[in-house]
Amino acid sequence: NAGVTQTPKFQVLKTGQSMTLQCAQDMNHEYMSWYRQDPGMGLRLIHYSVGAGITDQGEVPNGYNVSRSTTEDFPLRLLSAAPSQTSVYFCASSSIRDPNQPQHFGDGTRLSIL
Amino acid sequence: GQQLNQSPQSMFIQEGEDVSMNCTSSSIFNTWLWYKQDPGEGPVLLIALYKAGELTSNGRLTAQFGITRKDSFLNISASIPSDVGIYFCAGDRIQGAQKLVFGQGTRLTINP
Repeated sequence: NAGVTQTPKFQVLKTGQSMTLQCAQDMNHEYMSWYRQDPGMGLRLIHYSVGAGITDQGEVPNGYNVSRSTTEDFPLRLLSAAPSQTSVYFCASSSIRDPNQPQHFGDGTRLSIL
Repeated sequence: GQQLNQSPQSMFIQEGEDVSMNCTSSSIFNTWLWYKQDPGEGPVLLIALYKAGELTSNGRLTAQFGITRKDSFLNISASIPSDVGIYFCAGDRIQGAQKLVFGQGTRLTINP
């Protein structure tokens, strides 16, 4: 029973590099989202998706791209990493068919940009 | 962007004491959630509240959805060492929209 799986758990990048954070869920959830968590702050929504082929921006989308080609996967791309993107990133999923079912979170990816 | 105002930011208590924390907002939310986060892990849902005035318990935890829809509180009774962690409130303006807004968190430390 994997739930929401995020990879990698840790990553260090240099400014300007690109990378993709992976998120996969095995619960057949339609809704998936990406949050970032910075010290002293709660999680902030980056992008979300209500189903395959559909994505939309959250509160802090700049510098990030997403795509949703399958129900299971929702990768987050940093095209040109900046130090301000140093953070812990969490992926979450939930079932739209049951709107009262809250989101399940992965264990996070700790990303450092030098 | 808006975040919920959560207080206190940190608490240092003795084992066995009761704990109370709350979350307020200047705008209405139609769902209130309380999460706990342990180091190196993602948030885990503790209690979900869907109706104004609702009072819900989960073991030693009790949470209430404020009648104005602009606040919520979480109480923990008879704290134990495993209660240590960071507690977050989260709100959803449109029920089921799943676009959560989070509070800044309350860090709970327990002295044995």
